[in-house]
Amino acid sequence: ELKVEQNPLFLSMQEGKNYTIYCNYSTTSDRLYWYRQDPGKSLESLFVLLSNGAVKQEGRLMASLDTKARLSTLHITAAVHDLSATYFCAVDRDDKIIFGKGTRLHILP
Amino acid sequence: DGGITQSPKYLFRKEGQNVTLSCEQNLNHDAMYWYRQDPGQGLRLIYYSQIVNDFQKGDIAEGYSVSREKKESFPLTVTSAQKNPTAFYLCASSAPRGSAQPQHFGDGTRLSIL
Repeated sequence: ELKVEQNPLFLSMQEGKNYTIYCNYSTTSDRLYWYRQDPGKSLESLFVLLSNGAVKQEGRLMASLDTKARLSTLHITAAVHDLSATYFCAVDRDDKIIFGKGTRLHILP
Repeated sequence: DGGITQSPKYLFRKEGQNVTLSCEQNLNHDAMYWYRQDPGQGLRLIYYSQIVNDFQKGDIAEGYSVSREKKESFPLTVTSAQKNPTAFYLCASSAPRGSAQPQHFGDGTRLSIL
């Protein structure tokens, strides 16, 4: 059974700081997704990672994938308040997409 | 613009009642999904469908039913057998795996018990 674990589940950080969210998954998969969810809203796609060593960047967010370690990271550089949201990783296997529990990110001014 | 439309936005269910949540997409996607999200939790897969007239149970299908009579539509019925239906329900669709595209999500339906 595919399991997806994120940590931390909650993160409170100061503006201007850097931090990393981790996503581990239990079985092999050839693609991994990162999504953002604002309170009361739906999910917005951030990144699709397709191969070992893939790295994608958008603004202050950078995602990477290590398929051998079954690990993806979402790195936040010089955080700003607008990045406060819940971030989910999701893994694709056998026509199903399984989500982690999400990391609730709160950025303090 | 292409997208996924979920309705209603808010829904209230009386005890013993079945209710149906609508999900329509005009993205021409074959695959569609229903997820349930509880407060402070991740998404859990209820049902999914890869093609018209076919669907599979996800991890928490008990108390729910679906149909897929048209490519564009994937309604979810929350039956009276689902004793704790209060949650945020999200519908999604996706292009074929080879396209390497993420799932697209609707805006969700928030279901509560009266």
